[in-house]
Amino acid sequence: QKEVEQNSGPLSVPEGAIASLNCTYSDRGSQSFFWYRQYSGKSPELIMSIYSNGDKEDGRFTAQLNKASQYVSLLIRDSQPSDSATYLCAAIYNQGGKLIFGQGTELSVKP
Amino acid sequence: GAGVSQTPSNKVTEKGKYVELRCDPISGHTALYWYRQSLGQGPEFLIYFQGTGAADDSGLPNDRFFAVRPEGSVSTLKIQRTERGDSAVYLCASSRVTGGFNEQFFGPGTRLTVL
Repeated sequence: QKEVEQNSGPLSVPEGAIASLNCTYSDRGSQSFFWYRQYSGKSPELIMSIYSNGDKEDGRFTAQLNKASQYVSLLIRDSQPSDSATYLCAAIYNQGGKLIFGQGTELSVKP
Repeated sequence: GAGVSQTPSNKVTEKGKYVELRCDPISGHTALYWYRQSLGQGPEFLIYFQGTGAADDSGLPNDRFFAVRPEGSVSTLKIQRTERGDSAVYLCASSRVTGGFNEQFFGPGTRLTVL
């Protein structure tokens, strides 16, 4: 069974710190990875996509992919209280269309 | 531009009733996806359409669930003989393309409560 695993948290960081969110996946056939942010009571919002090994930066967000270790991470620099949300990691396998989601990591940024 | 829209935003029904949930994708997006999300869990895939046809319906839990997209745009998810276990948030997403590199954008969801 294809799985995406995340630590459910909560992960608590002080304002201005770097938040590091991690995700592992079980199937080497996966090729694309996505990070979604979900505020309580809202739907998931796409914040990053990554397809190749290495880092991808977008503003305060950096996604990292290591296919050999089957590991994806999201770094949030200069964390703000408004970053407090659940972060969902998702993967697409083998040219398919469906996303396989992890259970999400709850992030709390304390002022 | 306008995002994915879903109606109704909330639906309360009684066990055994039939419900329809509607999704209107982003204009120009050819692929449409249905997921459902229970509290504390990530979204769970149900079905996706490329154009009018269902490209993958492997996530539909049983034959009480059915979805259509007759004109390749709006989609309706239909649930017959609802059960309390069907209570969840039903999410619709759309993407410009399918395959391994598609980015999916979600609508606000329909919260279904079966009493």
